[in-house]
This record gives sequence, C-alpha cells and structure tokens, in this order.
Amino acid sequence: GNSVTQMEGPVTLSEEAFLTINCTYTATGYPSLFWYVQYPGEGLQLLLKATKADDKGSNKGFEATYRKETTSFHLEKGSVQVSDSAVYFCALSDYGGSQGNLIFGKGTKLSVKP
Amino acid sequence: GAVVSQHPSWVICKSGTSVKIECRSLDFQATTMFWYRQFPKQSLMLMATSNEGSKATYEQGVEKDKFLINHASLTLSTLTVTSAHPEDSSFYICSARDSLYNEQFFGPGTRLTVL
Repeated sequence: GNSVTQMEGPVTLSEEAFLTINCTYTATGYPSLFWYVQYPGEGLQLLLKATKADDKGSNKGFEATYRKETTSFHLEKGSVQVSDSAVYFCALSDYGGSQGNLIFGKGTKLSVKP
Repeated sequence: GAVVSQHPSWVICKSGTSVKIECRSLDFQATTMFWYRQFPKQSLMLMATSNEGSKATYEQGVEKDKFLINHASLTLSTLTVTSAHPEDSSFYICSARDSLYNEQFFGPGTRLTVL
C-alpha cells in the first residue's frame, strides 16, 4: 500500500542554517505530494504541494521537488528562522490534485535556536 | 485562509463515559470532513471520512460503534467516543475539505485523556 517515510526528529538548528528534511514515498500510480506544518497549539497548515513529477512546490522560502525517479519530496530552506520551529509532515494523496485520503509521514520536529 | 475549529480543545473523562468532539468549518462549506487520530511521535492516522447527510466511511480496524460520526450539516461534524477507555486517550484532529478548491483544512485538535 501507499506510505510515506520521513526522517526522524527532532532536528535542532541555529538561525540562518540550511534545512533539509527528507521524505520518500511508496505509491502506485501518480500521487500528489504535500508538506504540512503544525505550529505549537495550532492545526496543520498546508505549506506546499506538487502534483506531478519534476514539479517544485515553494512557499515562505521552503521548497520541495517531486522526484519520481527517487520517489522523494525533500523539504529544504536556505536560511531558517526561529519562527520556523514547528512539526513538519510529509503527505501524499492518490487522488490526483485533490486532497482526498491523505497519508502522512510521522512528522519531524524542528527547533531553531537564536 | 479557511478556518476549522474544534471543541473542546482538551477533555478529561472517566472510563466508561462518552465524549463528543465537534468540528466546524467557520467560513466555508465542507461536503467532506475527515477524522484523524494522532499518537505521540506518530503520524496522523485516518479514522473515517464523513460526507454530509450520509453515513461515515471507516478505515479498517476502526470500530464504528465506538467512534460515532455525525455529519449533520455542511459546516459541522461530530465524533463521539462511546464508553471511553484509557487506550482511547489520544489527540483527535478533524479536517474539512473545501468544495471549491478541493483542499483540506485542519482543526487544531482535541486532546482526550481517559482516566
């Protein structure tokens, strides 16, 4: 079945450091891929998405590229801020562009120190 | 952006009692709402999908008689944990899918502790 694997956390970085959170997936067909962020005490928010191979999703300085050949969707940011501290979830949906039946990774907690 | 609320944000109850959790889409109509369960350091696990006016579709292994879902209107879905036991203690999260943009918006979650 479909599944998502993302790197274990927690990840602790200093402000302005480079961030990579790895995410790989297993799926039949052509899923859409997503990164969600959960700030403390809040619900999950969609950070970025990509719906087909080689698409790059980007938002708030974060980027992720849909790599079909490596079944990956790694999240990157060139310079993190303290306000980026949150839990990040990689997810896939096998309903094309729609977000029916999302399958989530376990989440990676990011802490950014000043 | 679209807002989804959950009530209560946390609840403590005695074993054997029932607890109702509400999920509301505040500024959009949601024909479909989802209920997830999240254990500490674990992923969100989809429990059920509810469509307004029809019975919920439960994922394999989720007891429909224990987790009652009612999606009575386009802005409200409720999850009732019946005869709760300590193993039901968890973080329950709902999401509502916007009909126009087909995107899921998540509520802040409800932490249930069963003593």
